Amino acid sequence: NAGVTQTPKFQVLKTGQSMTLQCAQDMNHNSMYWYRQDPGMGLRLIYYSASEGTTDKGEVPNGYNVSRLNKREFSLRLESAAPSQTSVYFCASSEGPAGQFFGPGTRLTVL
Amino acid sequence: AQRVTQPEKLLSVFKGAPVELKCNYSYSGSPELFWYVQYSRQRLQLLLRHISRESIKGFTADLNKGETSFHLKKPFAQEEDSAMYYCALSGQGGYQKVTFGIGTKLQVIP
Repeated sequence: NAGVTQTPKFQVLKTGQSMTLQCAQDMNHNSMYWYRQDPGMGLRLIYYSASEGTTDKGEVPNGYNVSRLNKREFSLRLESAAPSQTSVYFCASSEGPAGQFFGPGTRLTVL
Repeated sequence: AQRVTQPEKLLSVFKGAPVELKCNYSYSGSPELFWYVQYSRQRLQLLLRHISRESIKGFTADLNKGETSFHLKKPFAQEEDSAMYYCALSGQGGYQKVTFGIGTKLQVIP
């Protein structure tokens, strides 16, 4: 059981470049999430998917898009990266009231 | 709107001293409350949930609906407790949005 996995672990982009962060979970959870973590701001929800086939905006969706490819996979895309998107990105999944399970994170730097 | 407040960004205590990490919430209804811990450069891990009323690694937390608080406590701090602690809230039943506090960094001084 790998839990929640994310790729890549590290990425450096130039302003304007695009990339997709991948997330997969093997716990058969219905709900999946993307957060960004910035110093002094805690975790902020970018997008979430309550179940396969649905996605919704979170607190800070601007500049991002998501795809819930199937029940296991939930990807986050930056179409035109900006320095303000430099952050650590966490994917998580959950089922019911058991709490969320997090991936190891992706450390993204946009120059 | 649901909100989680963690008033202390940094809490420093000596090893063996009691620890209390504060969490207050705002929610119109019956919330589910959680504490998550993040050790240096690691992923967030669920520490405990109020519904299970468990003690994990010596930590406990009691939901006080009157004071809308869910403070995390440990009687004797250990050096390995040094980490970031996040309080989180969601509603009950089905899918519910989760809101995190900004986190408190606990530093245990040897």
